[in-house]
Amino acid sequence: GENVEQHPSTLSVQEGDSAVIKCTYSDSASNYFPWYKQELGKRPQLIIDIRSNVGEKKDQRIAVTLNKTAKHFSLHITETQPEDSAVYFCAASIRGGGADGLTFGKGTHLIIQP
Amino acid sequence: DAGVIQSPRHEVTEMGQEVTLRCKPISGHNSLFWYRQTMMRGLELLIYFNNNVPIDDSGMPEDRFSAKMPNASFSTLKIQPSEPRDSAVYFCASSTRGGYTFGSGTRLTVV
Repeated sequence: GENVEQHPSTLSVQEGDSAVIKCTYSDSASNYFPWYKQELGKRPQLIIDIRSNVGEKKDQRIAVTLNKTAKHFSLHITETQPEDSAVYFCAASIRGGGADGLTFGKGTHLIIQP
Repeated sequence: DAGVIQSPRHEVTEMGQEVTLRCKPISGHNSLFWYRQTMMRGLELLIYFNNNVPIDDSGMPEDRFSAKMPNASFSTLKIQPSEPRDSAVYFCASSTRGGYTFGSGTRLTVV
């Protein structure tokens, strides 16, 4: 089955700086890659996703890049703010679009230092 | 839309007791997923349904776990008998064509 590795497990950045979280996946058939943000005691919430026919996608301060050849994808957050502090999860699925289960990475605890 | 609704929010039970977790997906979503979250293992997919039919239950850890989806608006996850190592947050999520929407989760503590 699919295996998703996520790094780093903890990331501390100064407010205003950029943060990058990286994930690799094992199954070359995977074609849907969402990112979730989870605040303490809350549910995971989708913040951005990308499909295999796209190399990069951006939504305001958040961007995701995908390299299918290398089987890795990354989340980029620019101009970080205190409210960006949370745990971020990457995930992958084969059929995507909710048709099959997501395999999640172990998460990255992002800490924004004031 | 009220989103994915899970109940109860918190459950404390004694080892050996039966526990039933409930989920109401978003209306119109045809896929439903049960996940378990722990510090050690992260988010694990337990089972998922498409159009009320169980598709993949390979993530269900043991026969003590079972899940049903009798109709498009309701699903249950049952643990019988419960054990302390079952303590975790259990999330239900539903989806249609896009990303998943998670419920608020049930925090289960087995003592």
